[in-house]
Amino acid sequence: DGGITQSPKYLFRKEGQNVTLSCEQNLNHDAMYWYRQDPGQGLRLIYYSQIVNDFQKGDIAEGYSVSREKKESFPLTVTSAQKNPTAFYLCASSGHLNQPQHFGDGTRLSIL
Amino acid sequence: SQQGEEDPQALSIQEGENATMNCSYKTSINNLQWYRQNSGRGLVHLILIRSNEREKHSGRLRVTLDTSKKSSSLLITASRAADTASYFCATDASGDDKIIFGKGTRLHILP
Repeated sequence: DGGITQSPKYLFRKEGQNVTLSCEQNLNHDAMYWYRQDPGQGLRLIYYSQIVNDFQKGDIAEGYSVSREKKESFPLTVTSAQKNPTAFYLCASSGHLNQPQHFGDGTRLSIL
Repeated sequence: SQQGEEDPQALSIQEGENATMNCSYKTSINNLQWYRQNSGRGLVHLILIRSNEREKHSGRLRVTLDTSKKSSSLLITASRAADTASYFCATDASGDDKIIFGKGTRLHILP
Protein backbone atom coordinates (compact mmCIF):
# COMPACT_ATOMS: atom_id res chain seq x y z
CA ASP A 1 0.00 0.00 0.00
CA GLY A 2 1.29 3.46 -0.87
CA GLY A 3 1.52 6.03 1.85
CA ILE A 4 3.59 8.13 4.21
CA THR A 5 5.30 6.71 7.26
CA GLN A 6 6.38 8.87 10.16
CA SER A 7 8.51 7.57 12.97
CA PRO A 8 8.66 7.43 15.85
CA LYS A 9 5.06 7.99 16.97
CA TYR A 10 6.22 9.46 20.29
CA LEU A 11 9.55 11.15 20.96
CA PHE A 12 11.04 12.71 24.05
CA ARG A 13 13.77 15.30 24.00
CA LYS A 14 16.08 16.42 26.74
CA GLU A 15 17.04 20.03 27.10
CA GLY A 16 19.84 21.00 24.71
CA GLN A 17 19.39 17.93 22.55
CA ASN A 18 18.72 17.73 18.82
CA VAL A 19 16.23 15.14 17.64
CA THR A 20 15.36 13.95 14.15
CA LEU A 21 11.88 12.96 12.98
CA SER A 22 11.64 10.56 10.07
CA CYS A 23 9.27 10.87 7.11
CA GLU A 24 9.24 8.38 4.22
CA GLN A 25 6.80 8.20 1.30
CA ASN A 26 6.36 5.62 -1.46
CA LEU A 27 3.84 7.61 -3.48
CA ASN A 28 6.47 8.89 -5.94
CA HIS A 29 5.53 12.44 -4.97
CA ASP A 30 7.84 15.35 -5.77
CA ALA A 31 6.68 17.71 -3.01
CA MET A 32 7.00 17.10 0.71
CA TYR A 33 6.08 19.22 3.73
CA TRP A 34 6.54 19.48 7.49
CA TYR A 35 3.87 21.04 9.70
CA ARG A 36 3.61 21.74 13.38
CA GLN A 37 0.24 21.48 15.14
CA ASP A 38 -0.35 22.79 18.65
CA PRO A 39 -3.42 21.77 20.70
CA GLY A 40 -6.65 23.10 19.22
CA GLN A 41 -4.75 24.87 16.46
CA GLY A 42 -4.35 24.55 12.75
CA LEU A 43 -1.22 23.50 10.91
CA ARG A 44 1.75 25.80 10.58
CA LEU A 45 4.27 25.16 7.81
CA ILE A 46 7.86 24.59 8.93
CA TYR A 47 9.64 23.61 5.70
CA TYR A 48 8.67 22.32 2.29
CA SER A 49 10.47 20.78 -0.65
CA GLN A 50 9.39 20.84 -4.28
CA ILE A 51 12.02 18.44 -5.50
CA VAL A 52 15.09 16.49 -4.41
CA ASN A 53 17.98 18.62 -3.12
CA ASP A 54 15.77 21.68 -2.80
CA PHE A 55 13.73 23.03 0.14
CA GLN A 56 12.30 26.32 1.35
CA LYS A 57 11.47 27.78 4.74
CA GLY A 58 7.87 27.96 5.76
CA ASP A 59 6.31 30.30 8.31
CA ILE A 60 8.05 28.93 11.42
CA ALA A 61 11.44 27.53 10.27
CA GLU A 62 13.53 28.93 13.13
CA GLY A 63 15.00 26.16 15.29
CA TYR A 64 14.36 23.47 12.66
CA SER A 65 16.39 22.01 9.79
CA VAL A 66 15.62 19.57 6.96
CA SER A 67 17.32 17.69 4.14
CA ARG A 68 16.01 16.18 0.90
CA GLU A 69 18.69 13.87 -0.39
CA LYS A 70 16.22 11.28 -1.70
CA LYS A 71 12.80 11.70 -3.25
CA GLU A 72 11.28 9.33 -0.70
CA SER A 73 12.69 10.91 2.44
CA PHE A 74 12.36 14.31 4.15
CA PRO A 75 13.69 14.17 7.72
CA LEU A 76 13.14 17.04 10.13
CA THR A 77 15.64 17.93 12.87
CA VAL A 78 14.37 19.85 15.86
CA THR A 79 17.43 21.64 17.17
CA SER A 80 18.18 22.88 20.67
CA ALA A 81 17.53 26.39 19.32
CA GLN A 82 13.81 25.58 19.18
CA LYS A 83 12.77 26.69 22.65
CA ASN A 84 9.23 25.39 22.59
CA PRO A 85 9.35 22.13 20.62
CA THR A 86 6.50 20.31 22.34
CA ALA A 87 3.93 19.74 19.59
CA PHE A 88 2.44 17.28 17.13
CA TYR A 89 4.51 17.15 13.93
CA LEU A 90 2.92 16.14 10.64
CA CYS A 91 4.65 15.25 7.40
CA ALA A 92 2.82 15.37 4.07
CA SER A 93 3.48 14.88 0.39
CA SER A 94 1.82 15.78 -2.89
CA GLY A 95 2.49 15.14 -6.56
CA HIS A 96 3.38 18.79 -7.01
CA LEU A 97 3.00 21.94 -4.93
CA ASN A 98 -0.61 22.90 -4.15
CA GLN A 99 -2.03 19.53 -5.14
CA PRO A 100 -3.96 17.61 -2.47
CA GLN A 101 -1.64 16.42 0.26
CA HIS A 102 -1.31 12.98 1.79
CA PHE A 103 -0.38 12.99 5.47
CA GLY A 104 1.45 10.66 7.79
CA ASP A 105 0.04 9.91 11.25
CA GLY A 106 2.37 12.30 13.01
CA THR A 107 5.04 12.32 15.69
CA ARG A 108 4.26 13.72 19.11
CA LEU A 109 7.34 15.38 20.59
CA SER A 110 7.62 16.14 24.29
CA ILE A 111 10.33 17.63 26.50
CA LEU A 112 11.72 15.70 29.43
CA SER B 1 0.06 35.38 5.51
CA GLN B 2 -3.40 34.58 4.22
CA GLN B 3 -5.36 32.05 6.22
CA GLY B 4 -8.70 30.39 5.89
CA GLU B 5 -10.78 30.75 9.02
CA GLU B 6 -13.39 28.14 9.89
CA ASP B 7 -16.66 28.84 11.63
CA PRO B 8 -17.89 27.61 14.04
CA GLN B 9 -14.88 26.52 16.09
CA ALA B 10 -16.89 23.63 17.48
CA LEU B 11 -20.19 21.99 16.53
CA SER B 12 -22.22 19.23 18.18
CA ILE B 13 -25.19 17.68 16.39
CA GLN B 14 -27.33 14.56 16.65
CA GLU B 15 -26.54 11.60 14.46
CA GLY B 16 -28.53 11.79 11.25
CA GLU B 17 -28.62 15.58 11.15
CA ASN B 18 -26.71 17.67 8.61
CA ALA B 19 -23.54 19.52 9.60
CA THR B 20 -22.45 22.75 7.98
CA MET B 21 -19.05 24.36 8.41
CA ASN B 22 -17.86 27.58 6.87
CA CYS B 23 -14.50 28.92 5.78
CA SER B 24 -13.62 32.53 5.04
CA TYR B 25 -10.40 33.74 3.48
CA LYS B 26 -8.80 37.05 2.65
CA THR B 27 -7.28 37.17 -0.83
CA SER B 28 -7.86 35.69 -4.28
CA ILE B 29 -7.30 31.96 -4.50
CA ASN B 30 -6.63 29.33 -7.14
CA ASN B 31 -8.45 26.61 -5.24
CA LEU B 32 -9.73 25.65 -1.80
CA GLN B 33 -9.45 22.25 -0.15
CA TRP B 34 -11.19 20.60 2.78
CA TYR B 35 -9.48 18.04 5.02
CA ARG B 36 -10.61 15.87 7.95
CA GLN B 37 -8.49 14.97 10.96
CA ASN B 38 -9.44 12.26 13.42
CA SER B 39 -8.03 12.67 16.92
CA GLY B 40 -4.29 11.96 17.04
CA ARG B 41 -4.05 11.16 13.34
CA GLY B 42 -2.91 12.87 10.16
CA LEU B 43 -5.20 14.85 7.88
CA VAL B 44 -7.17 13.22 5.11
CA HIS B 45 -8.01 15.13 1.95
CA LEU B 46 -11.76 15.32 1.29
CA ILE B 47 -12.38 17.58 -1.66
CA LEU B 48 -10.81 20.33 -3.78
CA ILE B 49 -12.84 23.07 -5.41
CA ARG B 50 -11.33 25.40 -7.99
CA SER B 51 -11.94 29.13 -8.06
CA ASN B 52 -14.07 28.82 -11.21
CA GLU B 53 -16.34 26.20 -9.62
CA ARG B 54 -19.34 27.00 -7.42
CA GLU B 55 -20.31 23.62 -6.06
CA LYS B 56 -18.88 20.14 -5.79
CA HIS B 57 -20.19 16.87 -4.40
CA SER B 58 -18.50 13.76 -3.10
CA GLY B 59 -20.74 11.14 -1.49
CA ARG B 60 -22.39 12.81 1.53
CA LEU B 61 -20.20 15.88 1.18
CA ARG B 62 -21.22 19.06 -0.58
CA VAL B 63 -18.84 22.00 -0.92
CA THR B 64 -19.76 25.43 -2.18
CA LEU B 65 -17.48 28.32 -3.04
CA ASP B 66 -18.45 31.98 -3.29
CA THR B 67 -15.43 33.92 -4.52
CA SER B 68 -17.27 37.24 -4.31
CA LYS B 69 -17.72 36.71 -0.55
CA LYS B 70 -14.40 34.88 -0.19
CA SER B 71 -16.09 32.01 1.58
CA SER B 72 -16.75 28.30 1.28
CA SER B 73 -19.00 25.89 3.09
CA LEU B 74 -18.78 22.16 3.73
CA LEU B 75 -22.05 20.30 4.24
CA ILE B 76 -22.08 16.75 5.58
CA THR B 77 -25.49 15.18 5.14
CA ALA B 78 -26.99 12.43 7.30
CA SER B 79 -24.13 12.59 9.81
CA ARG B 80 -22.70 9.45 11.40
CA ALA B 81 -20.66 8.85 14.55
CA ALA B 82 -17.63 8.24 12.31
CA ASP B 83 -17.86 11.84 11.09
CA THR B 84 -16.68 13.04 14.51
CA ALA B 85 -13.41 14.81 13.68
CA SER B 86 -11.85 18.21 13.04
CA TYR B 87 -12.35 19.72 9.62
CA PHE B 88 -9.91 22.16 8.04
CA CYS B 89 -10.06 24.34 4.99
CA ALA B 90 -6.85 25.12 3.13
CA THR B 91 -6.42 27.90 0.61
CA ASP B 92 -3.98 28.32 -2.20
CA ALA B 93 -3.46 32.02 -2.82
CA SER B 94 -2.94 33.19 -6.37
CA GLY B 95 0.78 33.55 -6.97
CA ASP B 96 1.75 31.63 -3.85
CA ASP B 97 3.46 28.27 -3.93
CA LYS B 98 2.03 26.82 -0.73
CA ILE B 99 -1.34 26.31 0.90
CA ILE B 100 -2.40 27.73 4.24
CA PHE B 101 -4.58 25.81 6.70
CA GLY B 102 -7.21 27.31 8.96
CA LYS B 103 -7.62 26.40 12.64
CA GLY B 104 -10.43 23.97 11.99
CA THR B 105 -13.95 23.15 13.16
CA ARG B 106 -14.30 20.38 15.73
CA LEU B 107 -17.39 18.35 14.87
CA HIS B 108 -18.94 16.01 17.42
CA ILE B 109 -21.75 13.69 16.40
CA LEU B 110 -23.97 12.74 19.33
CA PRO B 111 -25.52 9.23 19.37
